[in-house]
Amino acid sequence: DTAVSQTPKYLVTQMGNDKSIKCEQNLGHDTMYWYKQDSKKFLKIMFSYNNKELIINETVPNRFSPKSPDKAHLNLHINSLELGDSAVYFCASSQEVGVNEQFFGPGTRLTVL
Amino acid sequence: GEDVEQSLFLSVREGDSSVINCTYTDSSSTYLYWYKQEPGAGLQLLTYIFSNMDMKQDQRLTVLLNKKDKHLSLRIADTQTGDSAIYFCAERAGSARQLTFGSGTQLTVLP
Repeated sequence: DTAVSQTPKYLVTQMGNDKSIKCEQNLGHDTMYWYKQDSKKFLKIMFSYNNKELIINETVPNRFSPKSPDKAHLNLHINSLELGDSAVYFCASSQEVGVNEQFFGPGTRLTVL
Repeated sequence: GEDVEQSLFLSVREGDSSVINCTYTDSSSTYLYWYKQEPGAGLQLLTYIFSNMDMKQDQRLTVLLNKKDKHLSLRIADTQTGDSAIYFCAERAGSARQLTFGSGTQLTVLP
């Protein structure tokens, strides 16, 4: 029944490693997003895909690369992890029409040591 | 660019009303939203208001929008301990897809 799911929920890794976070939505939405929430709870958009096409790409280091194999999935791959990448990463999805309510996943807490 | 601001903390007694305030800068905002984040969880949409409305009421929640002052508020009547969470104001500008979020207000409900 989970609408937007993310794996893993927690990710602890060393600096310099490469890691991926996966996101899936079963709501039939056309648009998916990645947000980063820092330690002060500030939430910032990173990327957005609509029907597998990148439509929003905020000022994010190119070590971050989103990939959307189909419109129900949006994965986030991070190369050469740095300490400052430690945060909670939220996936969300929405349908474009009307209110555009965004449904959020439970988050992935990434800790870089 | 868009900017959304909120005060960081609010404490109220159980049973009192809570009012969480938000200001935004983008005059082309179409929808304004209130999201709730409980500890360890993702954000959940509580309510929203379209920019041509002044007020919206939904059970214990009342949203007030002052477009002239670009001020949005969320009032929670009869606040309960289960209302303790972080509340995010967000705006959607024009035809933009993405939302711009405020910094969140940590609401603490005291018994």
